[in-house]
Amino acid sequence: GENVEQHPSTLSVQEGDSAVIKCTYSDSASNYFPWYKQELGKRPQLIIDIRSNVGEKKDQRIAVTLNKTAKHFSLHITETQPEDSAVYFCAASMEYGNKLVFGAGTILRVKS
Amino acid sequence: DTGVSQDPRHKITKRGQNVTFRCDPISEHNRLYWYRQTLGQGPEFLTYFQNEAQLEKSRLLSDRFSAERPKGSFSTLEIQRTEQGDSAMYLCASSLVVRAGELFFGEGSRLTVL
Repeated sequence: GENVEQHPSTLSVQEGDSAVIKCTYSDSASNYFPWYKQELGKRPQLIIDIRSNVGEKKDQRIAVTLNKTAKHFSLHITETQPEDSAVYFCAASMEYGNKLVFGAGTILRVKS
Repeated sequence: DTGVSQDPRHKITKRGQNVTFRCDPISEHNRLYWYRQTLGQGPEFLTYFQNEAQLEKSRLLSDRFSAERPKGSFSTLEIQRTEQGDSAMYLCASSLVVRAGELFFGEGSRLTVL
């Protein structure tokens, strides 16, 4: 089955700096890669996703890149703000498939 | 209906007791998932339904766990003879089949087994 590894487990950045979180996946059949943000005590919420037919996707300060050959994908947050502080989870699945497999999460702290 | 709702939000029980959680998905969503999340970990898949059919159950799930979605709407997750290791947040999520990866999560039901 699919296995997703996520690094780093914690990340501290200064407000205004960029943050990068990386994930690797094991199943080459996976073709859908979402990122979820979970604030303390709240539900995980989808913030961006990418499908395997594209290499990069941007949404304002957030971007995700995908390298299918190397089986890894990354989340990039630019101009970080204190409200970006949260736990970020990557996940992988087959689109229209059965389930998402999540990484262990990255705690992002943005220091003001 | 603006989101996935779960009940109860918190449950404290003694070891050996049975507990049941309920999930009401977004009304037009035909897929419903149960995940378990422990501190410092990502959500771990337990089982999922498409309409009323339970299509997959994690091999990590013991026979003490059972889930139902009798009319393809709400779902229940029952844990029998609870153990301290069952203490976790139980998350329900729903999605459309055509956008199966885009999960909408509920707030979760936190279980504490004493």
